[in-house]
Amino acid sequence: TQLLEQSPQFLSIQEGENLTVYCNSSSVFSSLQWYRQEPGEGPVLLVTVVTGGEVKKLKRLTFQFGDARKDSSLHITAAQPGDTGLYLCAGTNFGNEKLTFGTGTRLTIIP
Amino acid sequence: GAGVSQSPSNKVTEKGKDVELRCDPISGHTALYWYRQSLGQGLEFLIYFQGNSAPDKSGLPSDRFSAERTGGSVSTLTIQRTQQEDSAVYLCASSFGWGLPTEQFFGPGTRLTVL
Repeated sequence: TQLLEQSPQFLSIQEGENLTVYCNSSSVFSSLQWYRQEPGEGPVLLVTVVTGGEVKKLKRLTFQFGDARKDSSLHITAAQPGDTGLYLCAGTNFGNEKLTFGTGTRLTIIP
Repeated sequence: GAGVSQSPSNKVTEKGKDVELRCDPISGHTALYWYRQSLGQGLEFLIYFQGNSAPDKSGLPSDRFSAERTGGSVSTLTIQRTQQEDSAVYLCASSFGWGLPTEQFFGPGTRLTVL
């Protein structure tokens, strides 16, 4: 069974600060996706990374896929209250449609 | 266009009763997925449909759980003889089903509470 562990589990920081969320596994994944989920809604895809070492930027969010494709990180610069939510990483493998979700990081940005 | 819709949004039932949860995927999406989200287990895969076929049922926790999809569209997840541990948010997602990795679009979920 492939597992994805996220850290930290909870994070509460002041507006304007920077933060990094980690997603780690002992297994290799073909790709990693990051989702954000808000209360009462389903997860929404933020980004997909496919190549080991790949870095993608989405405004103030920077996503990195580890060289060995076993881990990923999400870095947020100058966090804003709108960034508050549950962040989930999810791994996929070729030939297998299902997503294996990480344990989640609940982020709160304090104005 | 319309997103993935699920009904009911909330369901409260008594232990031992059967429940049916419905998912309407995005029009044109051939792939449909069911997931379950609970405090203790996080977000876990249940079953995947490609058209009306279910090539991957590996996540169904017991034979009390079943799902079907008709006309390549609407899907129903049925839980028989519900137990308290079945309490969770049941999420449905759909995708075009090609291009790996696929982008899955999630519905708002059905919150199931078993008393």
